[in-house]
Amino acid sequence: DQQVKQNSPSLSVQEGRISILNCDYTNSMFDYFLWYKKYPAEGPTFLISISSIKDKNEDGRFTVFLNKSAKHLSLHIVPSQPGDSAVYFCAASAEYGNKLVFGAGTILRVKS
Amino acid sequence: NAGVMQNPRHLVRRRGQEARLRCSPMKGHSHVYWYRQLPEEGLKFMVYLQKENIIDESGMPKERFSAEFPKEGPSILRIQQVVRGDSAAYFCASSRDRGNYGYTFGSGTRLTVV
Repeated sequence: DQQVKQNSPSLSVQEGRISILNCDYTNSMFDYFLWYKKYPAEGPTFLISISSIKDKNEDGRFTVFLNKSAKHLSLHIVPSQPGDSAVYFCAASAEYGNKLVFGAGTILRVKS
Repeated sequence: NAGVMQNPRHLVRRRGQEARLRCSPMKGHSHVYWYRQLPEEGLKFMVYLQKENIIDESGMPKERFSAEFPKEGPSILRIQQVVRGDSAAYFCASSRDRGNYGYTFGSGTRLTVV
């Protein structure tokens, strides 16, 4: 039962262009969403988050959009840089201070 | 301020042996979470602990797996009688407060069962 889905296993983008990573969820009880970035042989690193009471959150080059009616969120990276090449995980939580449910991840490759 | 420290980084065990994975949270963090990542999959929640207490173990397999976070020392994830299907990367994360979702992950322990 995959409650958080990242349907694109990989994405390739030219340096300087926009990267858009997508995530869908099925559990309407989710009220907090996060994006993590992971390099090989390292742990995930928190990137950006959004509460269900908002539809957009921005932090520098990273913006997360939440569409609750569609149960969809996306991460926009503008402009993309080669150092952004990593695996990006979408995660969600329905329980305050408790566990996160992760998607399977999307491999982003930014070509210079 | 050191991050979340996990050791060992790599662990090889034969089927039937025990595996012990250690996690030292960041200084000042009293909440610890364990996640497992199987090949080609996302991270799956296993257990959430505070000092001396298991808060949520809903993701732990019913048998062979246990976790603790004693008053002193690191959190330990223990897997008894390992099987090939236990081969995975095990990540620990810590946070200062409950509800702080941007918690910090360690670099993980990669367990290989041969």
